[in-house]
Order: sequence, then structure tokens, then C-alpha cells
Amino acid sequence: KNEVEQSPQNLTAQEGEFITINCSYSVGISALHWLQQHPGGGIVSLFMLSSGKKKHGRLIATINIQEKHSSLHITASHPRDSAVYICAVMGGAQKLVFGQGTRLTINP
Amino acid sequence: ETGVTQSPTHLIKTRGQQVTLRCSSQSGHNTVSWYQQALGQGPQFIFQYYREEENGRGNFPPRFSGLQFPNYSSELNVNALELDDSALYLCASSLPPSSYNEQFFGPGTRLTVL
Repeated sequence: KNEVEQSPQNLTAQEGEFITINCSYSVGISALHWLQQHPGGGIVSLFMLSSGKKKHGRLIATINIQEKHSSLHITASHPRDSAVYICAVMGGAQKLVFGQGTRLTINP
Repeated sequence: ETGVTQSPTHLIKTRGQQVTLRCSSQSGHNTVSWYQQALGQGPQFIFQYYREEENGRGNFPPRFSGLQFPNYSSELNVNALELDDSALYLCASSLPPSSYNEQFFGPGTRLTVL
């Protein structure tokens, strides 16, 4: 079993829909990251959080440390949100452990 | 402030050859981490360099080695290339190693081994 599991692996939705991507982890962590990767490979950091909730524009990230679970939400989704979203946790040894990613496609 | 850059962007090698990938860290960052991302998978941690010393290593064989220079740029060297080494190689720079220092990623180098 991977230390970081994301669901779903693939998600297709219509423009305007509310999107939720889930991340569960099995190790103790100090921080959790949500990352966005567009075709071509470049990775952009969206959020880094260790408790509670963060919001940036239409994106919201939440984490429940007791449940070892985090969610990324996108409100009013748009085709430009289409990308791979990756959850990564910072555990011991100062290294990031990544989930396998969720491929999101938003159709106009 | 310049971001993280990597070179080359694409590279094709044959089995048994050696390759060197380069990464320039973001201004002010002294820590560089390297990751391997196979197609359809999440990145895997290779190793991290902090102030020119290796500061942690993932589950990769010794033929994966690295360097960090006084200007904090870094190289990833892979010897005796295998087909399974075909992947996107990402580097990320950050402030000194800490759970709360965000990592900033470069665009990656796509390596194909034939």
C-alpha cells in the first residue's frame, strides 16, 4: 500500500462543477502539499498546510490530521483547471512523498 | 527573482550511457531536491543537497549521484543507463531543510533511454 493515496485517479467534469480530490496518508507528517502539474511537466505549488483550511481564489484545501486526510476543492471549475493534481506529504528525513496524482479534465 | 531552471529540457540516450542533468536553484535558496517521475506516476524522491552536502537519499542505486556547487546549483548524474531510467527528472529548490519551507519546482528534464 502506498503511503499517500489519492482518489479519484481520473476525473472528468463539466465547466462550472464543484470538484473534490481526496488524499489519504498513512505516515506521520509535518506538512501536506497540493501541487498542480500541467502537460509538459512543470509543477506549481498550490498549498502547503499542516492544519485546518486554506483558500486561494477558487481553490480550497483542507486537512484533518486525526483522520490523516486532506481534500482539494475547486469551485466554479473552468477548462483551464484541467491538469494533474498531486498530493505530497512531508514526513521524516525532510523528503516529500507523493501520491500518484489525479488527472482532472474540465469540459466546456 | 529568477525561478528554478533545468537543462536540458529533453534528452535521448542509449542503454549503458551516462547522463548529467543540471538545475539552477531559485535566488536565495540553498537546498535542492531531485525527483524522478515515471510516466503516469507521482514523483519519487532521489536525494537532497544542502550547502553542498547530500542531506537525505531515497531508494535509488548508487549509479544515481549528485553534486551541489557553491552557488547552490546542482547536477544529477546517472551512470550505466537502463531503459527504466526513462522519466521526467524534476528538481526543486527551497530555503534550509525544514518541514515548513515550500519547495519550488523546475520545469523538468525528460530523459528517454533507448
